[in-house]
Amino acid sequence: SQKIEQNSEALNIQEGKTATLTCNYTNYSPAYLQWYRQDPGRGPVFLLLIRENEKEKRKERLKVTFDTTLKQSLFHITASQPADSATYLCALGGDSNYQLIWGAGTKLIIKP
Amino acid sequence: KAGVTQTPRYLIKTRGQQVTLSCSPISGHRSVSWYQQTPGQGLQFLFEYFSETQRNKGNFPGRFSGRQFSNSRSEMNVSTLELGDSALYLCASSSEGPSTGELFFGEGSRLTVL
Repeated sequence: SQKIEQNSEALNIQEGKTATLTCNYTNYSPAYLQWYRQDPGRGPVFLLLIRENEKEKRKERLKVTFDTTLKQSLFHITASQPADSATYLCALGGDSNYQLIWGAGTKLIIKP
Repeated sequence: KAGVTQTPRYLIKTRGQQVTLSCSPISGHRSVSWYQQTPGQGLQFLFEYFSETQRNKGNFPGRFSGRQFSNSRSEMNVSTLELGDSALYLCASSSEGPSTGELFFGEGSRLTVL
């Protein structure tokens, strides 16, 4: 069955450093991958979408890579700030079954 | 533009009862998806509606049902509640559906079953 793995443990990063989160998947060939941010008790908020034919996507301090050979996406936050502390979710989709497959998320903690 | 609105935000029920949750999508969006989220779990897909038609359904028992109205508002119902149904229920809207791009989520309805 389709499976998505994200870092199960919280990721602690010093303020100002680059945070890198990983999303690995198996038994799936997604047409695109999305990253969302979720704060406690809130709904996820869309950050970036990257398609299978794109290697890299950037938005301000955020960068996403997508390697369909390794079946992996990396999500980078440069010059990290305490306000970046949240849980980050990856989701895969793109076929015609009208749903996304979600990872369990990685909790990111940026320490001042 | 108003965001996705879910009601109620919090509710407490007892086992065996039933519950109805409501979702008003962003104006103009025709697709509404529902997800269940429990601690440590990814979002589990419940179902997706588009223009009043259910296009896909996740692996949940028949106690979970939903519908969409002509104004795109959607409701989901859970009957004969069990303790394990305690979760955050999230609704997401999009213009064409989850497979075409960004989803806009509501704040969720947190259900506690005692």
